[in-house]
Amino acid sequence: GENVEQHPSTLSVQEGDSAVIKCTYSDSASNYFPWYKQELGKGPQLIIDIRSNVGEKKDQRIAVTLNKTAKHFSLHITETQPEDSAVYFCAASTLGRDDKIIFGKGTRLHILP
Amino acid sequence: DAGVIQSPRHEVTEMGQEVTLRCKPISGHDYLFWYRQTMMRGLELLIYFNNNVPIDDSGMPEDRFSAKMPNASFSTLKIQPSEPRDSAVYFCASSPQQNTEAFFGQGTRLTVV
Repeated sequence: GENVEQHPSTLSVQEGDSAVIKCTYSDSASNYFPWYKQELGKGPQLIIDIRSNVGEKKDQRIAVTLNKTAKHFSLHITETQPEDSAVYFCAASTLGRDDKIIFGKGTRLHILP
Repeated sequence: DAGVIQSPRHEVTEMGQEVTLRCKPISGHDYLFWYRQTMMRGLELLIYFNNNVPIDDSGMPEDRFSAKMPNASFSTLKIQPSEPRDSAVYFCASSPQQNTEAFFGQGTRLTVV
């Protein structure tokens, strides 16, 4: 089955700097890659997703890139703000075969003032 | 819609007792997922349903765990008997169709003493 690895487990960046979180996946059939943000005491919430027919997607300060050949995908947050502090999860899923969403173990992002 | 509703929010029980976690998905969503979150293992998919039918329960750790979805608006996850290692946050999530955003509830924090 699918295995998603996520790095780093913890990341601290100065407010205003950029943060990058990287994930790899094992199943070459995976074709849907969502990213979730989890704030303290809450459930994860989707912030952006990308499908395998797209290499990059951007939404304001957040961007995701996908390299299907290398089975890598990354989340980039620019101009970080205090409210970006949270746990971020990458995930992978396979359209047409099964509907599982398999998550990485998460990255705890700290934005330093 | 109020979103995915889970109850209780917190549960403390003694080892050996039966525990039942409840979930009300978003109306009209065909998929329902149960996840378990721990520091060590991250977000693990336990089981998911499509149109009330269990599709994949390969993530259910042991026979002590069971899940049901008697109708489109209600699901339960039961642990009997509970053990201290079952202590975790259990999330329910629903989505309208495959490979789209999964909406998470606020979770049930289970502590087995």
